[in-house]
Amino acid sequence: DAGVTQSPTHLIKTRGQQVTLRCSPKSGHDTVSWYQQALGQGPQFIFQYYEEEERQRGNFPDRFSGHQFPNYSSELNVNALLLGDSALYLCASRAPGIQRADTQYFGPGTRLTVL
Amino acid sequence: TQLLEQSPQFLSIQEGENLTVYCNSSSVFSSLQWYRQEPGEGPVLLVTVVTGGEVKKLKRLTFQFGDARKDSSLHITAAQPGDTGLYLCAGEDNAGNMLTFGGGTRLMVKP
Repeated sequence: DAGVTQSPTHLIKTRGQQVTLRCSPKSGHDTVSWYQQALGQGPQFIFQYYEEEERQRGNFPDRFSGHQFPNYSSELNVNALLLGDSALYLCASRAPGIQRADTQYFGPGTRLTVL
Repeated sequence: TQLLEQSPQFLSIQEGENLTVYCNSSSVFSSLQWYRQEPGEGPVLLVTVVTGGEVKKLKRLTFQFGDARKDSSLHITAAQPGDTGLYLCAGEDNAGNMLTFGGGTRLMVKP
């Protein structure tokens, strides 16, 4: 049983470009959350998707948007990239009907570098 | 805004020593979790504490949740080089939708 998978593993972009990161949740999971982890810091919550809608959002600008597909996979889009967007982007998934965050599993992340 | 502060930020110790990592907040969380993260990987859940005053043990690791559910500690006994990594605490909101992470404690255990 594959866990949470993310692609690509690494990505290099330049300022002003747009990027799309992808996440496939663990089998049987229907809720996907995205986190940004800057170097040397803890992860910060970006948003969570459930039933193809954004359910909750952290303190991130509108340049950060997302999508969830009928198969529960998700994308994170970042427009007009800034140098400060360089970070490890983590995806986490959770099983249906489970409201506790301790049942979620994290993927290995996508390392984004903005030059 | 809920914030979690971890201390120390960095810790370098010799194999066999004991250590304690602290996680403090001015906010109450419905639960608090401890994760360990290796380079190039996502955080892996170690334990969840829910009840104020709760103590949980995982082999050489002891986790405690403060009575007021605002702070927590992780104590490692007889640290091993394999314990090296980034330790993160995270508080869960009431809806269970988001985690607020601390800044992490980077632990290095030297043989």
